[in-house]
Amino acid sequence: QKEVEQNSGPLSVPEGAIASLNCTYSDRGSQSFFWYRQYSGKSPELIMFIYSNGDKEDGRFTAQLNKASQYVSLLIRDSQPSDSATYLCAVNGYTGNQFYFGTGTSLTVIP
Amino acid sequence: GAVVSQHPSRVICKSGTSVKIECRSLDFQATTMFWYRQFPKQSLMLMATSNEGSKATYEQGVEKDKFLINHASLTLSTLTVTSAHPEDSSFYICSATRDGKNIQYFGAGTRLSVL
Repeated sequence: QKEVEQNSGPLSVPEGAIASLNCTYSDRGSQSFFWYRQYSGKSPELIMFIYSNGDKEDGRFTAQLNKASQYVSLLIRDSQPSDSATYLCAVNGYTGNQFYFGTGTSLTVIP
Repeated sequence: GAVVSQHPSRVICKSGTSVKIECRSLDFQATTMFWYRQFPKQSLMLMATSNEGSKATYEQGVEKDKFLINHASLTLSTLTVTSAHPEDSSFYICSATRDGKNIQYFGAGTRLSVL
């Protein structure tokens, strides 16, 4: 079983809709959770991180963490074509210096 | 957010030559840096974890003698691809974590093409 799993997609949403990206992880002792955005040909860019159960909002982005169910999600409201990218979920393992990345979900926002 | 500078952004070299890639944390001290490789349309693959002042920890299957990592200071780590071959052509990305924080910040990446 992979440490971090994401649906590879592609996920397509119309402009203005809510895009929902999901991620599950296997290490119940994981402490920190991250979402990165990666445009084609570019390196990953940090969007959000979350440590505690519940929701964390930043502009159009909301990260949701449920440690009991071992999943973390990212909601993108009012999706824009510029949001079209691959979204990587990353989890910081219990030991602190081990990071596990999912394979990424490709999102396309259709104008 | 923290700034990580990676240089060069692109390099084209002949087979058999060595290529050095630098990764610098510009506004923070990075006790740990990571080196990744990414092939087209594939996910990030961790190559090694680099800790300042100690030997790097390589992932299984990564040749330490081919991919030399040096983390001589708290702001600089280098990756040298020795005797590069066409199969080493890839997108190499470094990242760094701030001291006391566990957030990875990525450099812009280096696209290596070996002819």
